[in-house]
Amino acid sequence: DTAVSQTPKYLVTQMGNDKSIKCEQNLGHDTMYWYKQDSKKFLKIMFSYNNKELIINETVPNRFSPKSPDKAHLNLHINSLELGDSAVYFCASSQYQGMDGSSGNTIYFGEGSWLTVV
Amino acid sequence: ILNVEQSPQSLHVQEGDSTNFTCSFPSSNFYALHWYRWETAKSPEALFVMTLNGDEKKKGRISATLNTKEGYSYLYIKGSQPEDSATYLCALSSSNTGKLIFGQGTTLQVKP
Repeated sequence: DTAVSQTPKYLVTQMGNDKSIKCEQNLGHDTMYWYKQDSKKFLKIMFSYNNKELIINETVPNRFSPKSPDKAHLNLHINSLELGDSAVYFCASSQYQGMDGSSGNTIYFGEGSWLTVV
Repeated sequence: ILNVEQSPQSLHVQEGDSTNFTCSFPSSNFYALHWYRWETAKSPEALFVMTLNGDEKKKGRISATLNTKEGYSYLYIKGSQPEDSATYLCALSSSNTGKLIFGQGTTLQVKP
């Protein structure tokens, strides 16, 4: 049973195309995230949704649009793909971190989606 | 800009050796510290989430300590096995939003 699953795992597409990566979690979490592994191999957050509401939106081109139809899904749509969009994209989920200092909920990641733009 | 630094970048040890890695972070921006074990093409596997200064956590042969005042965490692996070969990531959470700031990782290779 995969807790956080994302599809497709591999995607090769041409520049200018529009593509989507889907993510689903079966952990009952209320918060989901998209991270991108950059050219220096760092994982960096792109978006976060809590109960279908956007709570984090880092400096990401507006060609990237997340959509959360329900708490268990957070899909990433990318319009007009560019060569520089080639990367590994990771979906993740957790319970909301909470307000008190003792909270620190585990964030669970999917296996990543390898996007190659040619 | 918050930076999380890990050292060493890579490490080769013999089976049976014990080893440790360092994660450094700005102590003024601390909410929680996460450790992950990551094998290529797999999901990063959560090892520990640490929130309190002086925290020590253990999972089998792997343990971690946390010093929030000086801004560092150590990950220890006792009696390394080839299956421990992976990249170990630490990530700082500076708020309750769940945003993680990752270090670049320490890649461990354990030779049989």
